[in-house]
Amino acid sequence: QSALTQPASVSGSPGQSITISCTGTSSDVGNYNLVSWYQQHPGKAPKLIIYEVNNRPSGISNSFSGSKSGNTASLTISGLQPEDEADYYCCSFAGSSTYVFGTGTKVTVL
Amino acid sequence: QVQLQESGPGLVKPSETLSLTCAVSGGSISTYYWAWMRQPPGKGLEWIGYFYYRETPRYNPSLRSRVTISADTSNNRFSLKLASVTAADTAVYYCANAGPYPQYWLTYFDHWGQGILVTVSS
Repeated sequence: QSALTQPASVSGSPGQSITISCTGTSSDVGNYNLVSWYQQHPGKAPKLIIYEVNNRPSGISNSFSGSKSGNTASLTISGLQPEDEADYYCCSFAGSSTYVFGTGTKVTVL
Repeated sequence: QVQLQESGPGLVKPSETLSLTCAVSGGSISTYYWAWMRQPPGKGLEWIGYFYYRETPRYNPSLRSRVTISADTSNNRFSLKLASVTAADTAVYYCANAGPYPQYWLTYFDHWGQGILVTVSS
């Protein structure tokens, strides 16, 4: 069970859109629509922002959206804001009642 | 709103057992699934395991031989025990809510605790 692969860093200017990829295998991301995304600010606990590939919990901005194609899931942040600067992690069901997180992506707002 | 708070020793000696507790408020432990994750300093998140209090816990295969997760329903809390720790187990440990029972598969980890740093060192 290997960690899902994410780019180490992604950056963008305020107002721009950025996309973070999360690449797994046909045993996890590719086989289940059970990808979730988490935002983590420095020194804070992770916060759920997307679940089941493209669903937002109550209270989460619609600037966050998710998608999936094959073995790769993606998180798009539209209209990038300074407060979006954080680490982002994907997570997928990996079969046999197990879960795997991504390697994490640091988003920088230029 | 469910709130969680981790507690336990911040320092554990190598080869000993790490023991943490997660106190739950704002919701009954018997209504939801619950999970533990960890994050080594400066590194990514790792799923440790999850459970529903009446069912067999599910563990990360890489930790299965050393991990035990259990519930204390009378006090609305649950615990994590990790045996034979080494420096590689040094991490911030988080407990989290994993959604209402029953579910075929968990779909998210929500309402995380603030985390507790556990250092393994002699």
